[in-house]
Amino acid sequence: DSGVTQTPKHLITATGQRVTLRCSPRSGDLSVYWYQQSLDQGLQFLIQYYNGEERAKGNILERFSAQQFPDLHSELNLSSLELGDSALYFCASSVADRAGAYEQYFGPGTRLTVT
Amino acid sequence: AQSVAQPEDQVNVAEGNPLTVKCTYSVSGNPYLFWYVQYPNRGLQFLLKYITGDNLVKGSYGFEAEFNKSQTSFHLKKPSALVSDSALYFCAVRASDAGNMLTFGGGTRLMVKP
Repeated sequence: DSGVTQTPKHLITATGQRVTLRCSPRSGDLSVYWYQQSLDQGLQFLIQYYNGEERAKGNILERFSAQQFPDLHSELNLSSLELGDSALYFCASSVADRAGAYEQYFGPGTRLTVT
Repeated sequence: AQSVAQPEDQVNVAEGNPLTVKCTYSVSGNPYLFWYVQYPNRGLQFLLKYITGDNLVKGSYGFEAEFNKSQTSFHLKKPSALVSDSALYFCAVRASDAGNMLTFGGGTRLMVKP
């Protein structure tokens, strides 16, 4: 158990809908990262937050957004969902922002199925 | 830009034999390199990392990895494979002077047969 929690575990929704994925980082970790894992795209970095502020953006679509709250949990919002958004969404956390080679600890993921 | 290549989609090895999972990288500046393992229906678990210093890094579950700067490689190794090592392995890289964004390889499925 990494200490990173994600809810829900599974989510099935229809095209055009909006969903929110939730992540709680390990105790003491200030950085939260979101990743998308799909068969055709592999594991792709979406976005990073550090202590409530956006720090880095990867291949995140404009239909997707995220935020990190004062208690450090994070939410990833996916809107106008398309079939191609079906994937595993992972949250990871680490202690620091940039300095040092801190490893990231991954949650169990949320499997999103868009029908 | 940084990138990682894992040239083998799958590696098959017999239990008790040594295993190697290959990884090559491209990054500007000095690399920080990581190996993660993913078991079915689970998140990624950190195995080991290279920051600086000794080119041979030891990690969890008896795994080790060798950093080779001239060949820009960071191959994962284990002297004696276990059936329970069967999983998906990911290599990841970030530049030491960049943000903490990791770039992952495509993954290599390791199958250890009894």
